[in-house]
Amino acid sequence: DTAVSQTPKYLVTQMGNDKSIKCEQNLGHDTMYWYKQDSKKFLKIMFSYNNKELIINETVPNRFSPKSPDKAHLNLHINSLELGDSAVYFCASSQERLSTDTQYFGPGTRLTVL
Amino acid sequence: GENVEQHPSTLSVQEGDSAVIKCTYSDSASNYFPWYKQELGKGPQLIIDIRSNVGEKKDQRIAVTLNKTAKHFSLHITETQPEDSAVYFCAVPRRYGNKLVFGAGTILRVKS
Repeated sequence: DTAVSQTPKYLVTQMGNDKSIKCEQNLGHDTMYWYKQDSKKFLKIMFSYNNKELIINETVPNRFSPKSPDKAHLNLHINSLELGDSAVYFCASSQERLSTDTQYFGPGTRLTVL
Repeated sequence: GENVEQHPSTLSVQEGDSAVIKCTYSDSASNYFPWYKQELGKGPQLIIDIRSNVGEKKDQRIAVTLNKTAKHFSLHITETQPEDSAVYFCAVPRRYGNKLVFGAGTILRVKS
């Protein structure tokens, strides 16, 4: 009965590779997010989708491409991985697109780029 | 844009003591103030929030207080227990763009 799930939990890869992280929510929410948490625990939003439509894109390099096949899924594809991409990536969802809505976070994907 | 400052960055308390974490924000129009708790290896989880029409809200051992004039809000945890050890984040909505701006986080360690 997991609310927001992400796969994989850990991802170790070489510089220059392309990788994807998948996210699914079974809460029936309309809005989904991707956050990046760096080694100092700073949490920064990357993207937000509402009903499959991109509504937030926080000046993330275009090597990062989110894709939402339906409102329950938001995947993150990263091309040409760089050392600085190493971080924990969190998917989250909320009922609507309001910033006052409670956000439900997934367990995170720890990406390590060697 | 919205600026959120959170202090302290780390806090160690003895089990049973109280812990207070404070956040200061810049946009006087902000009207929603949540606190999220992140346990080791997990995603953040909302633990309490407050809207700008009240000054304090309590839920068992945790409370949030809001001072709109001074533009700061605080998380209070009483009778701390080892399971309270976690990273705590405050957040404030950005006025435009429908997003939350998170503070830098506070690592709380409760020593037993």
